[in-house]
Amino acid sequence: SQQGEEDPQALSIQEGENATMNCSYKTSINNLQWYRQNSGRGLVHLILIRSNEREKHSGRLRVTLDTSKKSSSLLITASRAADTASYFCATDAAYNTDKLIFGTGTRLQVFP
Amino acid sequence: EPEVTQTPSHQVTQMGQEVILRCVPISNHLYFYWYRQILGQKVEFLVSFYNNEISEKSEIFDDQFSVERPDGSNFTLKIRSTKLEDSAMYFCAIQLQEDYEQYFGPGTRLTVT
Repeated sequence: SQQGEEDPQALSIQEGENATMNCSYKTSINNLQWYRQNSGRGLVHLILIRSNEREKHSGRLRVTLDTSKKSSSLLITASRAADTASYFCATDAAYNTDKLIFGTGTRLQVFP
Repeated sequence: EPEVTQTPSHQVTQMGQEVILRCVPISNHLYFYWYRQILGQKVEFLVSFYNNEISEKSEIFDDQFSVERPDGSNFTLKIRSTKLEDSAMYFCAIQLQEDYEQYFGPGTRLTVT
């Protein structure tokens, strides 16, 4: 089964606007992590939110987690052209494993 | 964020050849992982390595794959006889403690011709 699904699949905005990406998952989790990937490059860790947390901030990033709905959102405020990338959520499974299961990603394009 | 380097950045090999991908975590760590990402697809878990042994592996990680820490710092992924479908980006990841962040290396792009 597919654990992580992001939506939208693609998002285009102007610089200065906010970007919101959503992630849904199916099983119980210990934590959820968000990553950024520039085209053909590595995965950059953005933020980790634990299952007992509801919201977390890091700079211009705000992540929420709703375990009852098995969903998370990533908000990037005051977006910049440099934020153009693909964004992935990744979950572990609550049972005795730390392997990450990645979603399909949201491709964000920020126009200057 | 811990630094993770991977070598080579790009490897081209012929079908049936053996390849070794290397990962060098520059920090103390407990857990190592290999993931791969076929072009345009999701990042997929391959194997986790803890306390010098495999702790978990996926269905993808068949007998053609192996991992080891040959000198206590490098962490390698070997593919014994590459297939065309092994073409992908391979990422090493490290985790300092259980339930903590996983930090990824820049990846090795493997092209099998």
